Amino acid sequence: GAGVSQSPSNKVTEKGKDVELRCDPISGHTALYWYRQSLGQGLEFLIYFQGNSAPDKSGLPSDRFSAERTGGSVSTLTIQRTQQEDSAVYLCASSSHPARYGYTFGSGTRLTVV
Amino acid sequence: KNQVEQSPQSLIILEGKNCTLQCNYTVSPFSNLRWYKQDTGRGPVSLTIMTFSENTKSNGRYTATLDADTKQSSLHITASQLSDSASYICVVSARRGSYIPTFGRGTSLIVHP
Repeated sequence: GAGVSQSPSNKVTEKGKDVELRCDPISGHTALYWYRQSLGQGLEFLIYFQGNSAPDKSGLPSDRFSAERTGGSVSTLTIQRTQQEDSAVYLCASSSHPARYGYTFGSGTRLTVV
Repeated sequence: KNQVEQSPQSLIILEGKNCTLQCNYTVSPFSNLRWYKQDTGRGPVSLTIMTFSENTKSNGRYTATLDADTKQSSLHITASQLSDSASYICVVSARRGSYIPTFGRGTSLIVHP
């Protein structure tokens, strides 16, 4: 597609439920990032995928968070047993060459845990 | 530790006025610096990218400067418009290691008519 697509755009879930957030990167972009942005805060790095290399998971806040990227394209971020502090906007970005071309962001998924 | 600090945290100006946003970083070794604009409810959109050898780069009414010696960058907005109201984020990448950039917290700009 022309841009990075994220779905759903909004998600309201009950505390303790699992959620899956989806990211469709730009075709051909080998690098994919997940970030979290809480209200009024900066972007918090979660996880980074680059081609077929093992992902950099150093930003995941707890073992309730996991992500996978199937076939080097679509990525899914899963949050298990959601907590209220997980409420945030989850942004996905992709790039063909981060150092040269920067990143293209999706519009994000706004997650609200009630 | 790689850090990016932005100032001011928020700024309110009248339409038509100019403003300058600041970014100080400690990322090393430096590769490039980008300014992003993030409208409410949207993902960040790139405005400019600057490498070590570049001092100034313009994109319409936006002009970014970079001083690699003092590790400072500024984003100057000329003749502001209501549509400039957004968060402006400074992002710095290192030349080696993981391609995980360091994000500033952003400056929230509000342009009033």
